[in-house]
Amino acid sequence: DAGVIQSPRHEVTEMGQEVTLRCKPISGHNSLFWYRQTMMRGLELLIYFNNNVPIDDSGMPEDRFSAKMPNASFSTLKIQPSEPRDSAVYFCASSPSFTGSPLHFGNGTRLTVT
Amino acid sequence: QKEVEQNSGPLSVPEGAIASLNCTYSDRGSQSFFWYRQYSGKSPELIMFIYSNGDKEDGRFTAQLNKASQYVSLLIRDSQPSDSATYLCAVNTGGFKTIFGAGTRLFVKA
Repeated sequence: DAGVIQSPRHEVTEMGQEVTLRCKPISGHNSLFWYRQTMMRGLELLIYFNNNVPIDDSGMPEDRFSAKMPNASFSTLKIQPSEPRDSAVYFCASSPSFTGSPLHFGNGTRLTVT
Repeated sequence: QKEVEQNSGPLSVPEGAIASLNCTYSDRGSQSFFWYRQYSGKSPELIMFIYSNGDKEDGRFTAQLNKASQYVSLLIRDSQPSDSATYLCAVNTGGFKTIFGAGTRLFVKA
């Protein structure tokens, strides 16, 4: 079991640039979640997918954020254009597809926007 | 009102003592409850989950759930310095949606 794999581990970019974060869920897990963690706001749910379909994107802060899951083994979170307030650790998590199942987190991507 | 509330701490206990971490939630329809541990610079890792009222024990850890009071707790017995971390309470509010509290920082003094 390789776990949830995220890339890159660290990303430093300038304001206005496009940022793409990537995630490979655990094989067989049908639910995928994107969270953002900051000291001020804690761990916030941005969006989650079930069977590759976005179920709830109400946590996406604004139109600059978008997420896709083109297949069961890959998801992206894109920020365009990026702003300094987007600096945070972004976690991807996956879980089996039954209600209330625990989440398995990736190692996260630390994003810094200057 | 936040959906999941925790005391941010820090909570400091001596080695060998019992650490008690508490959490309240607002959605009365919530069905699944989790405790995650997060070391500094690392990702959250699952410690315990509980679905039914009462206590659930796993080694040194005991999770307690009281749905009537909308209250979840985590007890850590024989606390060790390696238990020093942030503990996140998480609640599944329906379907697949899991909401996290802000976390309680625990320090175990040797």
